[in-house]
Amino acid sequence: AQSVTQPDIHITVSEGASLELRCNYSYGATPYLFWYVQSPGQGLQLLLKYFSGDTLVQGIKGFEAEFKRSQSSFNLRKPSVHWSDAAEYFCAVGERGSYIPTFGRGTSLIVHP
Amino acid sequence: EPEVTQTPSHQVTQMGQEVILRCVPISNHLYFYWYRQILGQKVEFLVSFYNNEISEKSEIFDDQFSVERPDGSNFTLKIRSTKLEDSAMYFCASSEPRATDTQYFGPGTRLTVL
Repeated sequence: AQSVTQPDIHITVSEGASLELRCNYSYGATPYLFWYVQSPGQGLQLLLKYFSGDTLVQGIKGFEAEFKRSQSSFNLRKPSVHWSDAAEYFCAVGERGSYIPTFGRGTSLIVHP
Repeated sequence: EPEVTQTPSHQVTQMGQEVILRCVPISNHLYFYWYRQILGQKVEFLVSFYNNEISEKSEIFDDQFSVERPDGSNFTLKIRSTKLEDSAMYFCASSEPRATDTQYFGPGTRLTVL
């Protein structure tokens, strides 16, 4: 069965700084990969997804993620963080043939002014 | 922008009682899902529903759970006899005609079992 590890429970950055949230997965084949964001009181919103093709994926709100098969990673990046990016971020993996994601525990992003 | 809605936002119930959590998916979506998130833990898949039947379910989705699309707009999750460990945030999601399409999540219902 697939699994996802998000090693950072909390990340604190200053507004305007760059951001990288780590995600490692365990799966025998090439997985489907997702990043979701959850703002307080809101549901999960899909930021981006990787199914196949270009390993650098562009998402909404200026986010991107890169699939690195050799490292079993799918890290999320943003060049300049805004205060409104403060939220919980979830990485998820899905197995081929099923689009049901298995979620990581999440990383809480705190943005200082 | 269309969105998934869920009611109630917070439900408190006594152990052993039945609860029904309601969701209104986006109108042209055909795939529906329930997930739960116990406080401090991962979001976990419960069940997916397509063409008026369950298409996938997890080990969590045992006989105490059931889902239904009673009319053309609502999608419900029923927990027959609630247990303390059912306390969690329950999220509904829906996606367009292909299962590969993006799942849109509702804001969740917080269920507290006393």
